Amino acid sequence: GENVEQHPSTLSVQEGDSAVIKCTYSDSASNYFPWYKQELGKGPQLIIDIRSNVGEKKDQRIAVTLNKTAKHFSLHITETQPEDSAVYFCAASKGSNYQLIWGAGTKLIIKP
Amino acid sequence: EADIYQTPRYLVIGTGKKITLECSQTMGHDKMYWYQQDPGMELHLIHYSYGVNSTEKGDLSSESTVSRIRTEHFPLTLESARPSHTSQYLCASSDREGNQPQHFGDGTRLSIL
Repeated sequence: GENVEQHPSTLSVQEGDSAVIKCTYSDSASNYFPWYKQELGKGPQLIIDIRSNVGEKKDQRIAVTLNKTAKHFSLHITETQPEDSAVYFCAASKGSNYQLIWGAGTKLIIKP
Repeated sequence: EADIYQTPRYLVIGTGKKITLECSQTMGHDKMYWYQQDPGMELHLIHYSYGVNSTEKGDLSSESTVSRIRTEHFPLTLESARPSHTSQYLCASSDREGNQPQHFGDGTRLSIL
């Protein structure tokens, strides 16, 4: 069935360095790709999303890239800060009548 | 900031009790969802609704039931709680049109003794 694979499961980076999390999806009809950040004790919060008609989207220190041919998309965080420490989830959907398919999550640790 | 509220935040209760987890949103969203998540782990969809009087089961089989009598309210009920129901339950909502982001509440952490 449809699935989204997310790597790595844990990522530890030095404060100020960049972090990259990658997701691969199986359904070529997928056209919407959100990224969520979940802090301890809270629900996931949308941080950025991209639709299939766009290859890259940026919002300050956060960017997402999409490669439809290879069926993968990535989250890039530059100049990481302690408050970036959280669990990040990617997801994919092929339309409003379909559910989001979620990745398994990446625990991002920012070392001071 | 999204306005979606879940109560209680934490619940510790004995086996066999009936439990209702509340979820309310003030955004007028048609779509609502319940996910089950062990803390920091993968999200599993257990129920969703496209609007009033619409409820569907998600990918993960669950003994819980839901109702959607009002647009803003999507409660989840466990008729007889068991230790295997111990988990975190997250409620979310989204707008109907096109692919829209889901807005999450902060969850209910449920422990069944």
